[in-house]
Amino acid sequence: QVRLVQSGAEVKTPGASVKVSCKASGYTFTGYYLHWVRQAPGQGLEWMALINTNDGSTDYAPSFQGRVTTTRDTAISTAYMDLSSLRSDDTAVYYCAREYSTSTTWYKAFDFWGQGTLVTVSS
Amino acid sequence: EIVLTQSPGTLSLSPGEGATLSCRASQSVTGNYLAWYQQKLGQAPRLLIYGASTRASGIPDRFSGSGSGTDFSLTISRLEPEDFGVYYCQQRGGSPTYTFGQGTRLEIK
Repeated sequence: QVRLVQSGAEVKTPGASVKVSCKASGYTFTGYYLHWVRQAPGQGLEWMALINTNDGSTDYAPSFQGRVTTTRDTAISTAYMDLSSLRSDDTAVYYCAREYSTSTTWYKAFDFWGQGTLVTVSS
Repeated sequence: EIVLTQSPGTLSLSPGEGATLSCRASQSVTGNYLAWYQQKLGQAPRLLIYGASTRASGIPDRFSGSGSGTDFSLTISRLEPEDFGVYYCQQRGGSPTYTFGQGTRLEIK
């Protein structure tokens, strides 16, 4: 079955960077885009980035441009999200999510999600 | 940037009742790429509807989506106890590429 398993919780100080991993299993890793979405405590969902796991191309939300980078390692079916210059308002649960698609159509919706990684930024 | 506005903010209903949740976009949603998710406390979101009206795999038929352009809705025909939670709409288009609504909380009355 499809699974996305993320790395564990992190505690960081302001100004530091964090790297979250997302290991995929149960499907062809390079056949689907992976996205990163975050959720601050008690708040809604915020899209951050996507990676085309086949060719490595990326797209980022303007509010994160220059601070976020997503990469992948196809040999181990894992995507990564790096967020730099952390601030206290970056405290959130970070999710990876797979974009639903078939062989002919990309549906721009997220059909499988990781369990989430809590990143706490505090001095 | 396309902004999605959901209403109402909170909906209080009893099991067995019907629910209609609204999602309005500030501009027309390209290709009707509008999805709905349910999220329960402490869990990741679950995809319910994509393409504005197609139920995702395993989603009961009491959930239905409709709409086009800028106005979309999610209808739950007969609420079950497990349906309570927060519902988000999401679109793809414009910049940033993907956006979510602020959510509607569906609570037990």
